[in-house]
Amino acid sequence: GQQVMQIPQYQHVQEGEDFTTYCNSSTTLSNIQWYKQRPGGHPVFLIQLVKSGEVKKQKRLTFQFGEAKKNSSLHITATQTTDVGTYFCAGPGGGADGLTFGKGTHLIIQP
Amino acid sequence: NAGVTQTPKFQVLKTGQSMTLQCAQDMNHEYMSWYRQDPGMGLRLIHYSVGAGITDQGEVPNGYNVSRSTTEDFPLRLLSAAPSQTSVYFCASSYSSFAAEGEQYFGPGTRLTVT
Repeated sequence: GQQVMQIPQYQHVQEGEDFTTYCNSSTTLSNIQWYKQRPGGHPVFLIQLVKSGEVKKQKRLTFQFGEAKKNSSLHITATQTTDVGTYFCAGPGGGADGLTFGKGTHLIIQP
Repeated sequence: NAGVTQTPKFQVLKTGQSMTLQCAQDMNHEYMSWYRQDPGMGLRLIHYSVGAGITDQGEVPNGYNVSRSTTEDFPLRLLSAAPSQTSVYFCASSYSSFAAEGEQYFGPGTRLTVT
C-alpha cells in the first residue's frame, strides 16, 4: 500500500539552530498533511499542502510540497524549546479512504 | 465543544481478555478512525469509518473490531488481547469523508498494556 517515508528519525539541534524533516513517497500524492506531537501528547494538525510546488509559512515554520508531488519538507528556523516533539507527515493510504503516516522525526533541542 | 474524547486513559489487560476502547466526538464529523502508536513505528491505521453504518479496514486490522451505529461514537473492540497489542491507541475524526482531504482531530489517547 501507499507509504510515506520520513527522514531523519531523530534530530538533535542546539537551541537557535534550524531543523528540517523530509517526507518522500514512491507515488504521486494528492495532498500531504503535517502534524506535531508533543511528548506524552496527541498529534495536532499543522497544515495541508495540495498544489504542486506549494510553499506555506507559519511563523518560523516553512512547508514545501515538491513539484512532482512525491516529496515534502518542513523547515523550522531558529528552533526554540517549544518546538520539541515529533513531526509527522501523512498522505492518502492505508485503505481506500485512509490516511497513512510517516514514522515521524523526533526533534530534540539542547539548550 | 469537548472535541474527541477517549476512555479509559489507561488500561491493563491480561492475555485473552476482551475490552472496548471508547471514542466520541461532538463536532458532527463524518469521518472517524483508530490508530495505534508504537515506538519507532509511527501511527498505523487500524479501522476507519466514513459515516454511520460504514466501516473499513486500515493497515493493521487483525484482532480488532469496530462498529459505527451513530455519528458521534466509534468504539474499538479487542476480541482476545495479546501482548502484541500493547500500544497507545488514538481515535481521530475529520469533517471530510475523505481522511486525506481534511484536518484530523485526535483524542488524548488510551495507553493499553497487555500482560
